[in-house]
Amino acid sequence: ETGVTQSPTHLIKTRGQQVTLRCSSQSGHNTVSWYQQALGQGPQFIFQYYREEENGRGNFPPRFSGLQFPNYSSELNVNALELDDSALYLCASSLPGQGAETQYFGPGTRLLVL
Amino acid sequence: AQSVTQLDSQVPVFEEAPVELRCNYSSSVSVYLFWYVQYPNQGLQLLLKYLSGSTLVESINGFEAEFNKSQTSFHLRKPSVHISDTAEYFCAVSDLTGNQFYFGTGTSLTVIP
Repeated sequence: ETGVTQSPTHLIKTRGQQVTLRCSSQSGHNTVSWYQQALGQGPQFIFQYYREEENGRGNFPPRFSGLQFPNYSSELNVNALELDDSALYLCASSLPGQGAETQYFGPGTRLLVL
Repeated sequence: AQSVTQLDSQVPVFEEAPVELRCNYSSSVSVYLFWYVQYPNQGLQLLLKYLSGSTLVESINGFEAEFNKSQTSFHLRKPSVHISDTAEYFCAVSDLTGNQFYFGTGTSLTVIP
């Protein structure tokens, strides 16, 4: 039990739609990272937020965007969904002082794009 | 940038036998190294990590990994596996800022009774 929750657990969308995925960290977790894990693959880093600012970004197009809120929750938004966006989306948070290397992962949101 | 290669996509092994899951990384800078485990329909759990100091790191459930800088490897080992070790194992690397993590494609460990 990491104390990191994600909602919804499953989601079905159609191509071209927009989706918002949510992550709730433990109190005090001021760094959150989002990952995309396609079936049979390892997680791919999307971006990281620290104190509500983007702090690093992987090789994902601008239609992937995020927000981090003062209450340590965060969102991943994906616009103009494509079939290849079907994946498990994971968020991971970390505590100040432990460094971002100590990440706590949520259970993920499984997104299916039809 | 960093990258990770997990050489074996699937590893079947009999219960109580030893196992080694291989991981090699590529980086032009110093790195942190990690092994994560993912059970079916669950998120990733940190198994062990190398940040600095002793190159041999251990987990609480009997796994160990050794950082070998000259071979750029961080192989995971366990001397005797249990059925409950059946899971997907991911090797990961980050630079010392911890701002970006790079994961391998995973190794599916299946323990056979």
